[in-house]
Amino acid sequence: DAGVIQSPRHEVTEMGQEVTLRCKPISGHDYLFWYRQTMMRGLELLIYFNNNVPIDDSGMPEDRFSAKMPNASFSTLKIQPSEPRDSAVYFCASTWGGETQYFGPGTRLLVL
Amino acid sequence: AQKVTQAQTEISVVEKEDVTLDCVYETRDTTYYLFWYKQPPSGELVFLIRRNSFDEQNEISGRYSWNFQKSTSSFNFTITASQVVDSAVYFCALSEADSSYKLIFGSGTRLLVRP
Repeated sequence: DAGVIQSPRHEVTEMGQEVTLRCKPISGHDYLFWYRQTMMRGLELLIYFNNNVPIDDSGMPEDRFSAKMPNASFSTLKIQPSEPRDSAVYFCASTWGGETQYFGPGTRLLVL
Repeated sequence: AQKVTQAQTEISVVEKEDVTLDCVYETRDTTYYLFWYKQPPSGELVFLIRRNSFDEQNEISGRYSWNFQKSTSSFNFTITASQVVDSAVYFCALSEADSSYKLIFGSGTRLLVRP
């Protein structure tokens, strides 16, 4: 079975540009999580969905960040406008019933 | 408030040594899960183990073993006869039923196994 799929794997952009990260969860999973990993803050939860509905977005840094899950097999995390401090690795994870979360390979974002 | 502490920032051992990674957690929930994830140099997060709060039985999987003790709020991870391929950052994490199973990660322990 395919694991969690994320694209792109690497993204380099300039400050002020819009960035869209994509995630395809494991088929049948009903929870989807977005995490960010930085040296300073470690791994932190940004937002999560249950059955495509956003449940908790308290970890989203600010209004520049938004996330959607239009269907059970696709989610996006958008940053508009991007800033250098958004540079990080962004992970998507999915799980069924809130049990073990399986992570995608991550998107390494660099904002110049 | 929930919290996970991995006090060991970095550990360096010589191949074939045994090594234990410590994890201490805080939670008020009676139903919770504890996890260990491995992050090799390639960057992905690999699930290793999950234990629930009602199962304190220790677990062994090959060279890996886990010691869960509710009395000390600890969930330690031991690698026996370490190998170079074990070099990675290891994260301990907690999720609570009352918090919809969001993962709270520790800061990670970087393990370097030297040949």
